[in-house]
Amino acid sequence: DAGITQSPRHKVTETGTPVTLRCHQTENHRYMYWYRQDPGHGLRLIHYSYGVKDTDKGEVSDGYSVSRSKTEDFLLTLESATSSQTSVYFCAISEGGSSYNEQFFGPGTRLTVL
Amino acid sequence: DQQVKQNSPSLSVQEGRISILNCDYTNSMFDYFLWYKKYPAEGPTFLISISSIKDKNEDGRFTVFLNKSAKHLSLHIVPSQPGDSAVYFCAASALYNNNDMRFGAGTRLTVKP
Repeated sequence: DAGITQSPRHKVTETGTPVTLRCHQTENHRYMYWYRQDPGHGLRLIHYSYGVKDTDKGEVSDGYSVSRSKTEDFLLTLESATSSQTSVYFCAISEGGSSYNEQFFGPGTRLTVL
Repeated sequence: DQQVKQNSPSLSVQEGRISILNCDYTNSMFDYFLWYKKYPAEGPTFLISISSIKDKNEDGRFTVFLNKSAKHLSLHIVPSQPGDSAVYFCAASALYNNNDMRFGAGTRLTVKP
């Protein structure tokens, strides 16, 4: 199994509070991704990174920011959490861009915003 | 705008029989397609993929078929086993935007012993 961990695995927070989710990899892969999974939508890309300090927006980036200061860590921040951000969040990594490279997923973080 | 659609939320088959999971897409620029399998409380895991230059790819019990003219792909599992019970996601990406992989909503497969 690819070495990907996510923390925390579960979190309950209140509307308006900041939340940071962490993804850590031990594979030294260049690309890292944050997805959210919601019923009826599958997985949707929030942000991705193609190197240290290199990030870009995905399909559903509004309300989220990311940072990557080290190859192994990719942080997802909700500056002011809203109930619509209640979801399961998955981090993924790949050696190259997603078209022709398999993505390896972490175990997920279940976030509930009350 | 869901560009990848899995219209069957669930599928139930008997052990030993064939499972056929379907996926449709709308973006003609997609040129690479993947299937992921997901068990509860785990992340998705890659199962099989196919490039748009092919119409079939086989890996053991799993075969993916691609019909570009119909913008349709399917995953065949033969024979189905109880351990195949999971949610299956279809995904697609395009070379021009190869970091934006689009996923379908998933199909929950149940294989009954």
